[in-house]
Amino acid sequence: QQPVQSPQAVILREGEDAVINCSSSKALYSVHWYRQKHGEAPVFLMILLKGGEQKGHEKISASFNEKKQQSSLYLTASQLSYSGTYFCGTLPQTGANNLFFGTGTRLTVIP
Amino acid sequence: GAGVSQSPSNKVTEKGKDVELRCDPISGHTALYWYRQSLGQGLEFLIYFQGNSAPDKSGLPSDRFSAERTGGSVSTLTIQRTQQEDSAVYLCASSLEWGKGQPQHFGDGTRLSIL
Repeated sequence: QQPVQSPQAVILREGEDAVINCSSSKALYSVHWYRQKHGEAPVFLMILLKGGEQKGHEKISASFNEKKQQSSLYLTASQLSYSGTYFCGTLPQTGANNLFFGTGTRLTVIP
Repeated sequence: GAGVSQSPSNKVTEKGKDVELRCDPISGHTALYWYRQSLGQGLEFLIYFQGNSAPDKSGLPSDRFSAERTGGSVSTLTIQRTQQEDSAVYLCASSLEWGKGQPQHFGDGTRLSIL
């Protein structure tokens, strides 16, 4: 039930945009996004609940397509502080009550 | 403190020994989760507790792993007869309650190394 993230890694220059995708084979109730910097704990970014909503947090936003069981994280005008590994965690509609995390997308922003 | 607290931050032990990892969740959070993260990998769910309900142990990799949560607060993850493949960072997270829209707040983890 582990979701698939793409790309696995991406390098950006400051100010550039990026999209990180998360796809599941299961019907989802919600998608959670976290960012983890090297040697640190994952930090919560946002949750998207079923209903196809889109959320934003400063220049980071995300969408959730319930029908396609996909979520995308959008980073616009990237900053050096955006560097880290981004994980999506998916919660299935039925069955398990725990999050299944993807293997992450390593984002590096360079000056 | 205000965040999830885990101890020890690092643990090095010999193969075959037992280890105990501790997690102190955010005060008032009723849901508590344990994950394992191997080098360069994602987070692998191990177990979660919600209030006084029986824990969901479906993610525990073997019967050498067990966890308990006393008084609905502090949790201990125990690994018996440790093996080298148990080496990883063990992360604990808590949320206000178990709910599909609740964010999980992570501790800094315990880095476990089995020699």
